[in-house]
Amino acid sequence: EVRLVESGGGSVQPGGSLRLSCAASGFNFSTYSMNWVRQAPGKGLEWVSYISGSSSTIYYADSVKGRFTISRDNAKTSLYLQMNSLRAEDTAVYYCTRDFYGDYDYWGQGALVTVSP
Amino acid sequence: DVQMTQSPSSLSASVGDRVTITCRASQSVSRYLNWYQQRPEKAPKLLISAASNLQSGVPSRFSGSGSGTEFTLTISSLQPEDFGTYYCQQTYNTPPWTFGQGTKVEI
Repeated sequence: EVRLVESGGGSVQPGGSLRLSCAASGFNFSTYSMNWVRQAPGKGLEWVSYISGSSSTIYYADSVKGRFTISRDNAKTSLYLQMNSLRAEDTAVYYCTRDFYGDYDYWGQGALVTVSP
Repeated sequence: DVQMTQSPSSLSASVGDRVTITCRASQSVSRYLNWYQQRPEKAPKLLISAASNLQSGVPSRFSGSGSGTEFTLTISSLQPEDFGTYYCQQTYNTPPWTFGQGTKVEI
C-alpha cells in the first residue's frame, strides 16, 4: 500500500523557517518524481515544487523561488521542503504527491503551516 | 503561464442528475489534463488523467473528454458521496503546472 505521511508543520513568525518532511512507503521511491502542492485556507490548489527521482531536475513556482528548497533522500525514502523567509501568504496545508508521468496519483494527508506574528 | 478556468464555480444538483464541469486552458495543453476530487478536510484524489483515462477504482459514472483548450468532467448520475470540490490541472510541457480554481458540487 502506497503511503505518504507529511510532518514538520507548525506556526512560525514572518521571516522564519520551517522544514517539512514526507515519509514514503509502499513503492519504489527512487523511481518516482515527487511534488509539493499547497492549499491556503479556503482556497484552491497551488503547485509549489517538483523533484525528479534522481534529484537531477528540480522546479519551483515563482512564488517560492529563492526561498524554498526541495530535496529527497532515496535511502530514507523521504521528501523534504525547506522553507525560509516565510510570509503570511505561505500559510497553507502542504501536500506531498507522487508523480506518475504528470499524474499526481497519491497524496499525503497534508501538513499545516501557519505564518503569523 | 497557462491559466485554467473552470465553470461553474459551484453548483447544486440532486441525486441522479447528470453534472458537467468545464475547464478551459488559456493555450493548448494537448491532452495533459487531470481531474481531482477533494472532499472537505481531505487530500485531493486523482479521478481522471490524460483528459479521459479513468483511474483504477473510480466509478464509471465519472468520465472526461476534450483536448487542446476545452475539457469536460461529467458525472452521469450524481451520488451522495460525490459532493466536494473538483479541480482540473494541466501538466503540459514545463512548469508551472496550474490548477483551475475549483468547482464546488453540493448535493
